[in-house]
Amino acid sequence: DQQVKQNSPSLSVQEGRISILNCDYTNSMFDYFLWYKKYPAEGPTFLISISSIKDKNEDGRFTVFLNKSAKHLSLHIVPSQPGDSAVYFCAASVAGNNRKLIWGLGTSLAVNP
Amino acid sequence: EPEVTQTPSHQVTQMGQEVILRCVPISNHLYFYWYRQILGQKVEFLVSFYNNEISEKSEIFDDQFSVERPDGSNFTLKIRSTKLEDSAMYFCASKGRAMNTEAFFGQGTRLTVV
Repeated sequence: DQQVKQNSPSLSVQEGRISILNCDYTNSMFDYFLWYKKYPAEGPTFLISISSIKDKNEDGRFTVFLNKSAKHLSLHIVPSQPGDSAVYFCAASVAGNNRKLIWGLGTSLAVNP
Repeated sequence: EPEVTQTPSHQVTQMGQEVILRCVPISNHLYFYWYRQILGQKVEFLVSFYNNEISEKSEIFDDQFSVERPDGSNFTLKIRSTKLEDSAMYFCASKGRAMNTEAFFGQGTRLTVV
């Protein structure tokens, strides 16, 4: 079951540059998308989300873009900082109060000083 | 800041034994979840709980699994007879009332079945 895919297992960027993490999905019923960040030995921490009625949502250094026709979303972090080094998960859910999350495999981001 | 707490952080158990994983969700949240992540694999949904009953469960959540909210604050996951393949990180999460809102996760319990 590959409804949410993160095709890059890892990404390395220089401090101060932009990090772009990508996510693709196949289920057209998904209408809410989230990015979570995870450090080792910790639980996922919510980062930013976007509803399918929008194509962009911004929160400080983090921006999520949604392209519904391509079933693609991306997370931009700018400028990247060493503390951003973590595993980033894309997750999606179908409308309804339950909102169970379907997860990608994650992308491990390393921001080098 | 309110948080979801899970205990224990690590549990080692013999195959065939029962385990109970405990969670204290955020107090005013209404939706509760268990997810698990087997090493190297995706985070997988196990079960959701709302209004004192299971609202959805995955095919992983067979009759060896059960959930309870015994006292209005704790939310537990019980595995009746553990198997080696139950070894995973188990995450509890809770969510507020609004439809488009994020779930908050605990730090996880690492279950090792030997």
